[in-house]
Amino acid sequence: GAGVSQSPSNKVTEKGKDVELRCDPISGHTALYWYRQRLGQGLEFLIYFQGNSAPDKSGLPSDRFSAERTGESVSTLTIQRTQQEDSAVYLCASSLAGPYGYTFGSGTRLTVV
Amino acid sequence: DAKTTQPPSMDCAEGRAANLPCNHSTISGNEYVYWYRQIHSQGPQYIIHGLKNNETNEMASLIITEDRKSSTLILPHATLRDTAVYYCTVYGNKLVFGAGTILRVKS
Repeated sequence: GAGVSQSPSNKVTEKGKDVELRCDPISGHTALYWYRQRLGQGLEFLIYFQGNSAPDKSGLPSDRFSAERTGESVSTLTIQRTQQEDSAVYLCASSLAGPYGYTFGSGTRLTVV
Repeated sequence: DAKTTQPPSMDCAEGRAANLPCNHSTISGNEYVYWYRQIHSQGPQYIIHGLKNNETNEMASLIITEDRKSSTLILPHATLRDTAVYYCTVYGNKLVFGAGTILRVKS
């Protein structure tokens, strides 16, 4: 597709349930990033995939958070046993390898009730 | 990854140039300066980036000081649609975003 696609656009879940968020990057983009943005806050780095290299997981806030990426395609961010503080917009971005601009998706708004 | 410092907010009159400053005094020699903006409820949008030289594209100009410790993003003729949060960030192998500058363009 022409841009980065994220699904679902909105997700409401009950506290304690697991959720999966999906990101379809731009075709040919080897780098993929996940960020979290709480209401009124800046972007918080979560995880970074580059090709077949080991992902940079340094931003994941706890072991309830995990992400996978198959090759250079779709990525899934999984949050287990969701908590109310996980409520945020989760943004995915992709780019070519190296110092190129990121293209962001529109995000998934997660609300934990 | 180097940290950046930006003023929390700025106002600009419509049609005038908006000059947004950023300090990145700990930047390394191979790190690029990137600017993004985020309009309410949307994903961030790439604006421009540079290493040493000044850069210009259809959206903005980027002026980087000779010592590379600071930069300025210039929107030459700001419009109401340029009201957004502007993020200056430094790229090592990933972008780490700070709080940004809220730019309010007023008529």
